[in-house]
Amino acid sequence: DAKTTQPPSMDCAEGRAANLPCNHSTISGNEYVYWYRQIHSQGPQYIIHGLKNNETNEMASLIITEDRKSSTLILPHATLRDTAVYYCIVRGGVGTGTASKLTFGTGTRLQVTL
Amino acid sequence: KAGVTQTPRYLIKTRGQQVTLSCSPISGHRSVSWYQQTPGQGLQFLFEYFSETQRNKGNFPGRFSGRQFSNSRSEMNVSTLELGDSALYLCASSRAGLAKEETQYFGPGTRLLVL
Repeated sequence: DAKTTQPPSMDCAEGRAANLPCNHSTISGNEYVYWYRQIHSQGPQYIIHGLKNNETNEMASLIITEDRKSSTLILPHATLRDTAVYYCIVRGGVGTGTASKLTFGTGTRLQVTL
Repeated sequence: KAGVTQTPRYLIKTRGQQVTLSCSPISGHRSVSWYQQTPGQGLQFLFEYFSETQRNKGNFPGRFSGRQFSNSRSEMNVSTLELGDSALYLCASSRAGLAKEETQYFGPGTRLLVL
């Protein structure tokens, strides 16, 4: 699986957009970018995923660069409840037998403040 | 739709004992994966079961084992517990694990403390 690089921590004011970057320069053509978050001591929560195109759901938006070497998770209006560790994961390719194995890095600790 | 459930939520054991953790996947999901999370090593993949067969395995010693039942529920067992096995054990389920797009949904975890 491709390795990901994320800043260890970020701060964001409540109500502002939180933009969390992720570098995945060795991503393969059939690998997806997934984002999860983990609020202290709870199970990781799925946020969003994408392959090439930008994606949006009720929680967030995912912007993937054209060369797919990096992406940005956007929380449009961060709240205190968004304080968590955010993980960017590149999913193993289809047919490799490892699609079910998620490799977590150290993630970005997002602190949302008043 | 009910999420992934794990039991028990908390467990205290002593060194040398063995422990069994249980995971019930989301209805209709056939793949169950297990992860270990510790402060030092982060989240690490243990193994994955699909249709009662282990399909993927991480780099953990043989003391860690698992199984899956015909209803997709899964158990993991750790024998001869060591202090370093203290961790949050997470279970995740997905529909089949090899489809073009497969999202894993995690349970709340079982926190194991080994004394």
